[in-house]
Parts: sequence; structure tokens; C-alpha cells
Amino acid sequence: ETGVTQSPTHLIKTRGQQVTLRCSSQSGHNTVSWYQQALGQGPQFIFQYYREEENGRGNFPPRFSGLQFPNYSSELNVNALELDDSALYLCASSLPSAHEQYFGPGTRLTVT
Amino acid sequence: AQSVTQLGSHVSVSEGALVLLRCNYSSSVPPYLFWYVQYPNQGLQLLLKYTSAATLVKGINGFEAEFKKSETSFHLTKPSAHMSDAAEYFCAVSGPRQGAQKLVFGQGTRLTINP
Repeated sequence: ETGVTQSPTHLIKTRGQQVTLRCSSQSGHNTVSWYQQALGQGPQFIFQYYREEENGRGNFPPRFSGLQFPNYSSELNVNALELDDSALYLCASSLPSAHEQYFGPGTRLTVT
Repeated sequence: AQSVTQLGSHVSVSEGALVLLRCNYSSSVPPYLFWYVQYPNQGLQLLLKYTSAATLVKGINGFEAEFKKSETSFHLTKPSAHMSDAAEYFCAVSGPRQGAQKLVFGQGTRLTINP
């Protein structure tokens, strides 16, 4: 059974640029959630996708957007990057009937 | 709104000693509760979960947690600490039951094991 994978591992961007992060869900999981973890903090919920539609959103501005594909993989897009967007971005997958989520290793984004 | 408070951002114990990491939650509905562990530069690994069955939950690596509704607590324990337990631990609550099953995390507790 393949776990959750994310790419890239690390990324450095300049303020104002756009970035796309990718996630492949665990085998059989059709729900994907994205979290932002700032240094020294707990993860914060960005949004969740189920059956290719957004299924809930946290307190993040519209420049954070996402997609889910028919194979349940997902993308997180962030436009107009700000310095405060520097964080570890975590993807988690789950079954729709289950509350536990399984996390990938994360993508470390640094905005300079 | 649901929330989690982890008491103590840093906990240090000796190898072989009891580990106790504290978590209190707030929820307007019966909660689902979780403990996750994060090793440096890695994602989160599920240690254990409470889903309204037995109040004492056993997880991986010898950890367990007890759900106490009257105290709104879900503390994590391990009888004997091992050096490999050094990591960041996060308590999380899930909800609401309908809609997005988002996890709300505490701020984390960094566990240090002294030889």
C-alpha cells in the first residue's frame, strides 16, 4: 500500500510569484486535505477536496486554491506569494467516512 | 468551534521514565480525538485515535491515551520513555460530523528524552 506522497520536497520562491504543490493520496483514499504548518506551530487547515470539489475551507484568502483530479491526487496553488507563506505544507488523505487522516512528508516552502 | 490546548510546549523526561503529555479539548459535539507525532523534517504520523468506543485507547510504539469527558482531556502516556520517542507531539480534534472532516491541532509539545 502506497502512502501519501508530496512534491517537491523543498521550494524557494520570491515574493509575488506563484507556486504549485502536488500530492498523491494513499491508495483507496478519495478525500484530500491541505494544511499549513508555520515554524513552531501546529498545522492549520487550508481546505479539503472530495470527489474533485472543495468540501470545506479554513481561514485562508482566495489566493490559496486547489484542485483534485479523477485519480484523487491534488494540487495546492498559491498566488502572489507573501513572506508569511513560508511554511511546511502538508497534504493528508482519508476515506470520507473516517475521521483520521494520513499525512505526507510535506513540502517546505520558503518565500524570500 | 472546536479547539485544543496542549499544556506545556516542552517536556523533558529521563530515558525509562513515564511520559505524560497533556491535551484538553473544547467541542460542542462528541469529539473524535487524535495524537500525532512529528519527527524533524517529516510529516505527521498517527499515534492513536479516540472515536467514541473504549475510553482508553492504545496506539503504536507503546503509547496510550485516556478520554475523560468530565475533564475534557485526552492525555497521552507511555510507561517507559525511549530515546527514539524524542519528537514533536500534536493533539487534534475532528469535526463537525457533517461536512469537511478537518483536524484542529494544538500548538504541539516537544518531547526531549535525557539519557
